[in-house]
Amino acid sequence: DAMVIQNPRYQVTQFGKPVTLSCSQTLNHNVMYWYQQKSSQAPKLLFHYYDKDFNNEADTPDNFQSRRPNTSFCFLDIRSPGLGDAAMYLCATSRDVGPQETQYFGPGTRLLVL
Amino acid sequence: AQSVSQHNHHVILSEAASLELGCNYSYGGTVNLFWYVQYPGQHLQLLLKYFSGDPLVKGIKGFEAEFIKSKFSFNLRKPSVQWSDTAEYFCAVTPQTGANNLFFGTGTRLTVIP
Repeated sequence: DAMVIQNPRYQVTQFGKPVTLSCSQTLNHNVMYWYQQKSSQAPKLLFHYYDKDFNNEADTPDNFQSRRPNTSFCFLDIRSPGLGDAAMYLCATSRDVGPQETQYFGPGTRLLVL
Repeated sequence: AQSVSQHNHHVILSEAASLELGCNYSYGGTVNLFWYVQYPGQHLQLLLKYFSGDPLVKGIKGFEAEFIKSKFSFNLRKPSVQWSDTAEYFCAVTPQTGANNLFFGTGTRLTVIP
């Protein structure tokens, strides 16, 4: 089945130690998104790639970066994780960038910062 | 700024009861509306969506939602819930033009008791 895969499902890191979360897709979609969902809060868009074009949300902290080396893979890099960055990180894809496109989500990676 | 409100944080129902989950949005323009569901241990998946036309939309698994423009609402309904409907339900909006930035509500957890 075509899908969005996130690895690992759980990630533990130390305060200030860089960490990378991975997302891959077999849907061949043009757009990939990263959302952050803190406990009891709504998922919040951090940024998205439309093909190779990177689009950062205005209030996404500089501590968060992303890479998309090819169509299938997208990475979320947290350069210096703080305790407040502990959250579920969701990757999603859509065929195109229009506002009516359905987004397909991965299972998420839960990040714990010690 | 956009916002999505889901006032019911946790709803508990017996099987065969009727369900209505509230969703209200705030946005200074026309929006597209979505309901996503997250079953335990699984990824977010689309239940239904509304872009234009008939304000009553039907989705998968017997769910439907009604868009009431005057009330800025998009409530989710199901006439008779099953134990398998136990999940978290998220309402989301995108602006009708522009990028596909989903703004989510905080979610409603539904527990169906057999």
